[in-house]
Amino acid sequence: GEDVEQSLFLSVREGDSSVINCTYTDSSSTYLYWYKQEPGAGLQLLTYIFSNMDMKQDQRLTVLLNKKDKHLSLRIADTQTGDSAIYFCAESPRANQAGTALIFGKGTTLSVSS
Amino acid sequence: NAGVTQTPKFQVLKTGQSMTLQCAQDMNHNSMYWYRQDPGMGLRLIYYSASEGTTDKGEVPNGYNVSRLNKREFSLRLESAAPSQTSVYFCASSSRSRWTGKPGATNEKLFFGSGTQLSVL
Repeated sequence: GEDVEQSLFLSVREGDSSVINCTYTDSSSTYLYWYKQEPGAGLQLLTYIFSNMDMKQDQRLTVLLNKKDKHLSLRIADTQTGDSAIYFCAESPRANQAGTALIFGKGTTLSVSS
Repeated sequence: NAGVTQTPKFQVLKTGQSMTLQCAQDMNHNSMYWYRQDPGMGLRLIYYSASEGTTDKGEVPNGYNVSRLNKREFSLRLESAAPSQTSVYFCASSSRSRWTGKPGATNEKLFFGSGTQLSVL
């Protein structure tokens, strides 16, 4: 079945780059997503990438996709304390499977120290 | 434009009590979802509704029921709460419509509510 794996914790210093990694299993996933959850809040869509792309850049965020290895990464440049949050990787499963929506990883807690 | 609104934000129940979590969205979205979030488990789908009038089970539906009252509202009911249902519950919606049979054909942008923290004693 589908599964999305992420490391659980990442700790960086303010100003450094953060790289959050994710592996997924459904090779038919057309879109892959990164969501951010700040303390006490719901998830917010951060960025997404279409599977025919290798890279997508949006200001401080860079998403890299290695479709052959089913590996997705999120790089945050010049990490700030406000980036401290839980980051979830998600894949869009096969549309003809019942009982599924997005499949989320367990989330990576990013801690940024000043 | 409020987005996805969930009520209540916090609730404490005793084992065996019942309650309904309410969710409403004002984005004219077709699909709505209920997830639960537990430490170390990430987000798990309880039920979803691909369109008004339809509901389907997700990964962890046992102990829950849902109602898609209209296009805006999707409620989650716990008939007899158990301590294992202590969790943070999130409602979400997206513009995704019925399955088209085309794998990954739709860009599934989910919008989440702020969550309901439920404790069952």
